[in-house]
Amino acid sequence: DADVTQTPRNRITKTGKRIMLECSQTKGHDRMYWYRQDPGLGLRLIYYSFDVKDINKGEISDGYSVSRQAQAKFSLSLESAIPNQTALYFCATSELGASGSPDTQYFGPGTRLTVL
Amino acid sequence: AQSVTQPDIHITVSEGASLELRCNYSYGATPYLFWYVQSPGQGLQLLLKYFSGDTLVQGIKGFEAEFKRSQSSFNLRKPSVHWSDAAEYFCAVGVMNYGGSQGNLIFGKGTKLSVKP
Repeated sequence: DADVTQTPRNRITKTGKRIMLECSQTKGHDRMYWYRQDPGLGLRLIYYSFDVKDINKGEISDGYSVSRQAQAKFSLSLESAIPNQTALYFCATSELGASGSPDTQYFGPGTRLTVL
Repeated sequence: AQSVTQPDIHITVSEGASLELRCNYSYGATPYLFWYVQSPGQGLQLLLKYFSGDTLVQGIKGFEAEFKRSQSSFNLRKPSVHWSDAAEYFCAVGVMNYGGSQGNLIFGKGTKLSVKP
């Protein structure tokens, strides 16, 4: 079984609808991330969480919210979806390395979201 | 602030030819550097990482990268490309500002690799 799973894998929705994307991990990591990928723009950080009680905004958090239900679960919500939120969304997990250094992030397979 | 530049948006190479993908970073201290690969329809997979020590790093799938502090570069190389290497490649630098984003990664915009038969 995959270490980082995302549901759904594909979703088509309409403008104004509320959407939730879910992420689960079995790696036992404290840190979880949500990224958005758009062609030519790379990965942009939406929100990140260093533990269940620590949630932080990333580069592009407007229009999104998150919930960290447990160490293993981190959900991303679009309260009122709009077409320019059409993108590929990735969840990732990591640990903090020795002396607070960055360490490898492990990615889920992605959710392709289309907002009509 | 840290940043990563991948100058080449799209590269095409012939199967069997050598490959070099460029990555330049902006960071004041010794960086933590990563290369990831994204195959079509897949998530990102770590190819290799540099934290310290030997500046030539070996990774999976026959890839290697060389850290050059004087050039602020961390270029990815492969001596002989296979058709299955067609993918998008992302370079990333780790954040070490000991602030709220400590440990996060900053990604470049990616380089798409196409392989000609």
